[in-house]
Amino acid sequence: AQTVTQSQPEMSVQEAETVTLSCTYDTSESDYYLFWYKQPPSRQMILVIRQEAYKQQNATENRFSVNFQKAAKSFSLKISDSQLGDAAMYFCAYRSAGAAGNKLTFGGGTRVLVKP
Amino acid sequence: EAGVAQSPRYKIIEKRQSVAFWCNPISGHATLYWYQQILGQGPKLLIQFQNNGVVDDSQLPKDRFSAERLKGVDSTLKIQPAKLEDSAVYLCASREASTNEQFFGPGTRLTVL
Repeated sequence: AQTVTQSQPEMSVQEAETVTLSCTYDTSESDYYLFWYKQPPSRQMILVIRQEAYKQQNATENRFSVNFQKAAKSFSLKISDSQLGDAAMYFCAYRSAGAAGNKLTFGGGTRVLVKP
Repeated sequence: EAGVAQSPRYKIIEKRQSVAFWCNPISGHATLYWYQQILGQGPKLLIQFQNNGVVDDSQLPKDRFSAERLKGVDSTLKIQPAKLEDSAVYLCASREASTNEQFFGPGTRLTVL
């Protein structure tokens, strides 16, 4: 079974600065997807960014970018130019690319605090 | 486009009582998921439906939890009887077939006293 680990319970960043969230995972599969979700106090999970394991290029979405290291099974999220609205819980998630593997396996989450 | 709808948003019950949650997925999404998110943890899959059939319920505590999706659209998740450890947020999600992306509802926060 796949596992996802987020070792940072909480990270604090100054507004306009950069913060990096860590995520490691364990799998024996070669084809899979990785995600970062944002969960604000409203509880709605919002997809921030996704990465296909077969793509070597790191995904980027505006101020959000990832550092995907397949051999090390590491998938970190960098938030640049942090804004107050970025404050939330962030979850790393794994999904198998197999036909039956549509479920998401989540890490324990990292709380991001943004200081004005 | 309307998102995933869930109700109620909050529910407080006493242990041994029963409770039901409702989810209406995004129109046209054949796959529906129920996740349990205990405070301070990431969501954990309880059950996955494809239309009205169960794909994966391996993590569902079947002695007290049940779920159905009779017409392949709306779904209900029931807990009977509830235990203190069932206090959590219950998230419903549906999957867009073309992108495989899951869209989440706002969740139901359950407190068992």
